[in-house]
Amino acid sequence: KQEVTQIPAALSVPEGENLVLNCSFTDSAIYNLQWFRQDPGKGLTSLLLIQSSQREQTSGRLNASLDKSSGRSTLYIAASQPGDSATYLCAGLDPHWYALNFGKGTSLLVTP
Amino acid sequence: EPEVTQTPSHQVTQMGQEVILRCVPISNHLYFYWYRQILGQKVEFLVSFYNNEISEKSEIFDDQFSVERPDGSNFTLKIRSTKLEDSAMYFCASRDGLSGTHEQFFGPGTRLTVL
Repeated sequence: KQEVTQIPAALSVPEGENLVLNCSFTDSAIYNLQWFRQDPGKGLTSLLLIQSSQREQTSGRLNASLDKSSGRSTLYIAASQPGDSATYLCAGLDPHWYALNFGKGTSLLVTP
Repeated sequence: EPEVTQTPSHQVTQMGQEVILRCVPISNHLYFYWYRQILGQKVEFLVSFYNNEISEKSEIFDDQFSVERPDGSNFTLKIRSTKLEDSAMYFCASRDGLSGTHEQFFGPGTRLTVL
């Protein structure tokens, strides 16, 4: 079964810093990889989706990369803001079940 | 922008009672999902649903669980006899099945508390 791991579990940075969140997965046979944002007690907001044939996707200050051969994805956040404080989840889509396998998330705190 | 909605936002029930969690997927979407997140743990897949039948289900989705699309807009998850360990956030998701991206869109969740 696909295992998804996110490092670090928690991160605190001062406002304005660029940062990288890491996601690794055990089975390179993922269909796609999605990054989500989750605010405390709230739902999941899709940030970026990378197809298995793609290497990266960008949306505003966010850039996500995917390296299937090494089983890794990164989410790069440029010029972080306090409003970026949330938990960031990565999830790989199983190509057989078409169900998402989630990591536990990285809890990000951006301090003013 | 179209979004997935879920009701209620919070449900409190007694152990052994039946609960029905409701979802309205995005209107032109064809595939529907339920996931759950126990406090402090990963989001876990429960079941997928397409063309009025279950496509896939995890080992969590035992005989106590059922899903239904009773009309053209609602998608429900029923837990027949709730247990304490069913306390979790339950998320509904949907995707269109046409774009080829398989991107899933999630609702805000229903927090289920079993006492």
